[in-house]
Amino acid sequence: AQSVAQPEDQVNVAEGNPLTVKCTYSVSGNPYLFWYVQYPNRGLQFLLKYITGDNLVKGSYGFEAEFNKSQTSFHLKKPSALVSDSALYFCAVRGASGGSYIPTFGRGTSLIVHP
Amino acid sequence: EPEVTQTPSHQVTQMGQEVILRCVPISNHLYFYWYRQILGQKVEFLVSFYNNEISEKSEIFDDQFSVERPDGSNFTLKIRSTKLEDSAMYFCASTRGVNNEKLFFGSGTQLSVL
Repeated sequence: AQSVAQPEDQVNVAEGNPLTVKCTYSVSGNPYLFWYVQYPNRGLQFLLKYITGDNLVKGSYGFEAEFNKSQTSFHLKKPSALVSDSALYFCAVRGASGGSYIPTFGRGTSLIVHP
Repeated sequence: EPEVTQTPSHQVTQMGQEVILRCVPISNHLYFYWYRQILGQKVEFLVSFYNNEISEKSEIFDDQFSVERPDGSNFTLKIRSTKLEDSAMYFCASTRGVNNEKLFFGSGTQLSVL
């Protein structure tokens, strides 16, 4: 069975500082990995995905994520946080081949960026 | 960007009552999903729907749940006899295909069962 762990319920960072939101995963075979963001009163919005290739994936709003196969991690990063980045962030995984095509989500991490 | 629309945004119901949650997926999408999130817990997959039938469902999706695409635009989730533990945020999502495609989510329906 595939699963995602987001070990931090909340991440606090000052505006202008780098941010990292952690995600580890478990899946059979190679993974497809995703990050989504949810702003208040909105649905989850796609940020970026890792399918294959370069381990550093760039996405929307200046976010990037690094795939680390040995550590089964896919941490979300941004070099300089903005107050408007404050939101709920979800990591998701599915297997690249065979089995279910349904992504499994984590519980989300609340990112709070302080002015 | 096109959006998935969900109604109502909030639904309050009494235990044992039937509820129908409504979704309008993006018009050229072919795969439809329901997920839910109980407060403080993971976003959990309920069911996927393609070509007018369920393609996959989770253990949560028992006989109390059903889905329907009645008119080619709406996609509904019915809970026949609600329980307290059905209280959650319910998200509808859609995609054009299934191979590594991103999901487009609606803003959710907060269901409260009293």
